[in-house]
Amino acid sequence: GNSVTQMEGPVTLSEEAFLTINCTYTATGYPSLFWYVQYPGEGLQLLLKATKADDKGSNKGFEATYRKETTSFHLEKGSVQVSDSAVYFCALSDLGFQKLVFGTGTRLLVSP
Amino acid sequence: DTGVSQDPRHKITKRGQNVTFRCDPISEHNRLYWYRQTLGQGPEFLTYFQNEAQLEKSRLLSDRFSAERPKGSFSTLEIQRTEQGDSAMYLCASSSASGPAYNEQFFGPGTRLTVL
Repeated sequence: GNSVTQMEGPVTLSEEAFLTINCTYTATGYPSLFWYVQYPGEGLQLLLKATKADDKGSNKGFEATYRKETTSFHLEKGSVQVSDSAVYFCALSDLGFQKLVFGTGTRLLVSP
Repeated sequence: DTGVSQDPRHKITKRGQNVTFRCDPISEHNRLYWYRQTLGQGPEFLTYFQNEAQLEKSRLLSDRFSAERPKGSFSTLEIQRTEQGDSAMYLCASSSASGPAYNEQFFGPGTRLTVL
C-alpha cells in the first residue's frame, strides 16, 4: 500500500540556519504530494503541494520538489525563523478518493 | 468563509459511553474526510464522503464507529461503547472536487477525545 517515511525529529536549529526535512514515499501511480504544518495549539495547515513529477511547491520561503526517480519530496528553507517551530507532516494523496496518507511528522525547534 | 469547524473541541468520557462529534466543512466543499491522530503520529484516514454518500471506510473504523453526512453538509462521527484505545484527536477535513484548490484538504481544529 501507499506509505510515507519522513525523518525523525526533533530537528533543532538556530535562527537563520538552513533546513532540510527528508520525505520519501511508496505509491502506485503518480500521487500528489503535500507538506502540512501544525503550529503549537493549532490545526493542520497546508504548507505547499506538488501534483506531478519535477513540480516545485513553495510557500513562506519553504520549497519542495517532486522527485519521481528518487520517490522523494524533501522540504527545504534557506533561513529558518523562531516562528517556524512546529511539526511538519509529509503526505500523499491516493488516486482514488484522494485520501491523505501521512508520515509520522517531524518536530522543528528553532532557537534565537 | 469560516473554514472547517468541529464541535466539541474536547470531550472526556468514561469507558463504555457513547460520544458524537460534529464537523461543519467549508460550505462549497462536497468532499469530507475524517482522520484520527494519536500522540506522536500522523493523522490516519478513517472515512470519506462525497456529498451525502460514504464512499470509503478504513479498516481502522470498527463496527463501534459510524459516520453520517445526511444532507451533504455537516457530518457526525459516533463512537459507541468507547474504549481507552479510542483516545485520540479526531480531525475533519473538506475539499472541493474542482477549482483552483482542487485536491487540497482543509482541516478543522480537531476534537480531542479522552476515554477514562
